[in-house]
Amino acid sequence: AQSVTQPDIHITVSEGASLELRCNYSYGATPYLFWYVQSPGQGLQLLLKYFSGDTLVQGIKGFEAEFKRSQSSFNLRKPSVHWSDAAEYFCAASGGGADGLTFGKGTHLIIQP
Amino acid sequence: SAVISQKPSRDICQRGTSLTIQCQVDSQVTMMFWYRQQPGQSLTLIATANQGSEATYESGFVIDKFPISRPNLTFSTLTVSNMSPEDSSIYLCSVEDRGQLAFFGQGTRLTVV
Repeated sequence: AQSVTQPDIHITVSEGASLELRCNYSYGATPYLFWYVQSPGQGLQLLLKYFSGDTLVQGIKGFEAEFKRSQSSFNLRKPSVHWSDAAEYFCAASGGGADGLTFGKGTHLIIQP
Repeated sequence: SAVISQKPSRDICQRGTSLTIQCQVDSQVTMMFWYRQQPGQSLTLIATANQGSEATYESGFVIDKFPISRPNLTFSTLTVSNMSPEDSSIYLCSVEDRGQLAFFGQGTRLTVV
């Protein structure tokens, strides 16, 4: 069965520190991969996506993610977090076409001053 | 990118009633998807809606409970029927735009009392 795993339910990072959020997937073939952010009471905002090609993907708000086929991973990174980055982050995958998205359970990011 | 508008943004409904949620897109899209996000949880795909055909439902979701319409390439509705408090969730519409699954509406926050 297709699945997306975000091993960390909560992560606490100091403002200005670097961030890495983990995501692993289990799919029959390499899926399309996405990272979304959801602030309290807000909808989902797409940070970045990977379809093919360069395995290091740049997104909005200074985020990047690296696709590693050997590890079935698509980890999200940011070199220096800001207090406004506190939110829920979702990794998602799709087989494409009419497949829809399979979401991980999310990682709640807390920023310490 | 596609702009997606959902109505209503939130509602409080009595148990046993039904609510229809509208999703309007500013461009023609092939596929539209409906998701549910239960309180404190991740997103789960309810169904995929193609214009001119019956919606395809995921395991655990049935047409009698969540009837979907897709009358044209820019509009879809999801009805939550015979509601119970367990249906209290955020319901989100998503679209495939130019072959890319990516964009979400702001969601409809439903509370059933």
